[in-house]
Amino acid sequence: ELKVEQNPLFLSMQEGKNYTIYCNYSTTSDRLYWYRQDPGKSLESLFVLLSNGAVKQEGRLMASLDTKARLSTLHITAAVHDLSATYFCLLYTGGFKTIFGAGTRLFVKA
Amino acid sequence: ETGVTQTPRHLVMGMTNKKSLKCEQHLGHNAMYWYKQSAKKPLELMFVYNFKEQTENNSVPSRFSPECPNSSHLFLHLHTLQPEDSALYLCASSQTGANEQFFGPGTRLTVL
Repeated sequence: ELKVEQNPLFLSMQEGKNYTIYCNYSTTSDRLYWYRQDPGKSLESLFVLLSNGAVKQEGRLMASLDTKARLSTLHITAAVHDLSATYFCLLYTGGFKTIFGAGTRLFVKA
Repeated sequence: ETGVTQTPRHLVMGMTNKKSLKCEQHLGHNAMYWYKQSAKKPLELMFVYNFKEQTENNSVPSRFSPECPNSSHLFLHLHTLQPEDSALYLCASSQTGANEQFFGPGTRLTVL
């Protein structure tokens, strides 16, 4: 069975701290995407990871992809309140098939 | 015009009603998608169309009927829905199946 497991599902952290969100998957793939969703809003694209070893950074967020370990990470550096949102990984599995992770609801406390 | 638009943004319907959701993309993409986002489940892919042809149907009940008249427009026709169909329905588009998807704002559906 194809699975995309995201953890943690909920994360409460202090401003200024670092943390990592993990996205593990059960099938071979070389494409993975990270999205952000604010409450009541749609999904905003954050990162596109297209190959093994890909690393992308934008502001306080950095995403990486290890296709051999079937693992992607989203690292948060020195969190600020504006990063509070739900973060999803989306795995491309071929053709027109994709699978979302369950999402990580992040809350950054002042 | 923003990339992917959806109408209506909110919809309340009874179980015997018939309604349609509309999605339009202005990005020149070839593939369009319907997703369902409910409170207690991960985002679920429902249907995919590529160049107006349906390429994916993830065992969606027949009370949901998609239509894709051209690469820019996608509809989801609804009839005889159940309360458990209440959810946020998101439309997305991409250049191909392997490319980044761009999402619309969603339609919040409530079935009474």
